[in-house]
Amino acid sequence: DAGVTQSPTHLIKTRGQQVTLRCSPISGHKSVSWYQQVLGQGPQFIFQYYEKEERGRGNFPDRFSARQFPNYSSELNVNALLLGDSALYLCASGTAQETQYFGPGTRLLVL
Amino acid sequence: LAKTTQPISMDSYEGQEVNITCSHNNIATNDYITWYQQFPSQGPRFIIQGYKTKVTNEVASLFIPADRKSSTLSLPRVSLSDTAVYYCLVGDWGDSSYKLIFGSGTRLLVRP
Repeated sequence: DAGVTQSPTHLIKTRGQQVTLRCSPISGHKSVSWYQQVLGQGPQFIFQYYEKEERGRGNFPDRFSARQFPNYSSELNVNALLLGDSALYLCASGTAQETQYFGPGTRLLVL
Repeated sequence: LAKTTQPISMDSYEGQEVNITCSHNNIATNDYITWYQQFPSQGPRFIIQGYKTKVTNEVASLFIPADRKSSTLSLPRVSLSDTAVYYCLVGDWGDSSYKLIFGSGTRLLVRP
């Protein structure tokens, strides 16, 4: 069975640019969550979508936005990038309140 | 908002049992407690999940007291390959908004 996939694997951007990260959930999973993990820290919750509706939002600025498509894949958009946005961005998929399975992450470097 | 607390690090030796506790003082009533293992530059890997009492699978056990304000991950007979960071994850409905809260992580070092 295919796991959660994320693209791209690595990305380099400059301050002020915009970035879009993509996530494909495990087949049959209707929930997608996004996390930011700064080096040396635990993952921080950004968003959760279930059945294409936003179910939860973490304490991130409005520069961060996401959406979930009819096929349950998801995109995370970050506008006006700051140096501090450099991190590993993790996507996880799951059913309603049950186990989330994580993808390998997208490593974003902002210069 | 839920705050999860874990020990920063633990040391063990091969073959020993390791117990890692996570305190979560405001867990959402209907949410599960999930533990993950993470290696450097990889996504977290699911270990075990539970709601209350005790859950056991082929790799670990999870103990959750009745008040659900903490949980303990038990790894029997650890090996060198268990050296990793371990996180607990809980849901929280604080501020009328659902959030998923990771613990700060426990760095486990298994020595030969």
